[in-house]
Amino acid sequence: SQTIHQWPATLVQPVGSPLSLECTVEGTSNPNLYWYRQAAGRGLQLLFYSIGIDQISSEVPQNLSASRPQDRQFILSSKKLLLSDSGFYLCAWSRIAGGSDNEQFFGPGTRLTVL
Amino acid sequence: SQQGEEDPQALSIQEGENATMNCSYKTSINNLQWYRQNSGRGLVHLILIRSNEREKHSGRLRVTLDTSKKSSSLLITASRAADTASYFCATDKDFGNEKLTFGTGTRLTIIP
Repeated sequence: SQTIHQWPATLVQPVGSPLSLECTVEGTSNPNLYWYRQAAGRGLQLLFYSIGIDQISSEVPQNLSASRPQDRQFILSSKKLLLSDSGFYLCAWSRIAGGSDNEQFFGPGTRLTVL
Repeated sequence: SQQGEEDPQALSIQEGENATMNCSYKTSINNLQWYRQNSGRGLVHLILIRSNEREKHSGRLRVTLDTSKKSSSLLITASRAADTASYFCATDKDFGNEKLTFGTGTRLTIIP
């Protein structure tokens, strides 16, 4: 069966510090991968998605970047965190495009607080 | 307003009652999905209904889709305390589209 891991679970970082959040998927190959951010009590904002290694699409201009160095690894980074980067970050995967059943499977999330 | 808006924003009912949540969207869709999120956790996929379907069941869940009104409803029958969570609808625009647009969610509280 497939599983998706995210770490760390929680993170408190000072403004201006770098960030690296990691997501890995097991039990599937060539997944689509996604990074979302969720503000408190709000819906999900898609930040990045990837259909393959080194193929990243950015959805909103921001202080963050994403990389996919391996098929099942997706990394969210920042060189200098802003207060507005605080939030709940969720990684998700879905089966490769081409079918109509494109449900997404989510990791447990990372709670980031920037002070 | 954005694609995929749920109402009500919050709903509190007694255990055993039925809970109904609604979702409206703006563009044509390939399918509509409902997800559940327990507090502080990731989302869990509940059910997917395709644009050519009108109703779908899964256990205590019943989803309807009205493409003419661009709306969907999620009914949870015989609610349980464990159903307390936020529920989100999500839509995609085209067949095989990689991206989903999520609504802002309905916070459901089941009172024991």
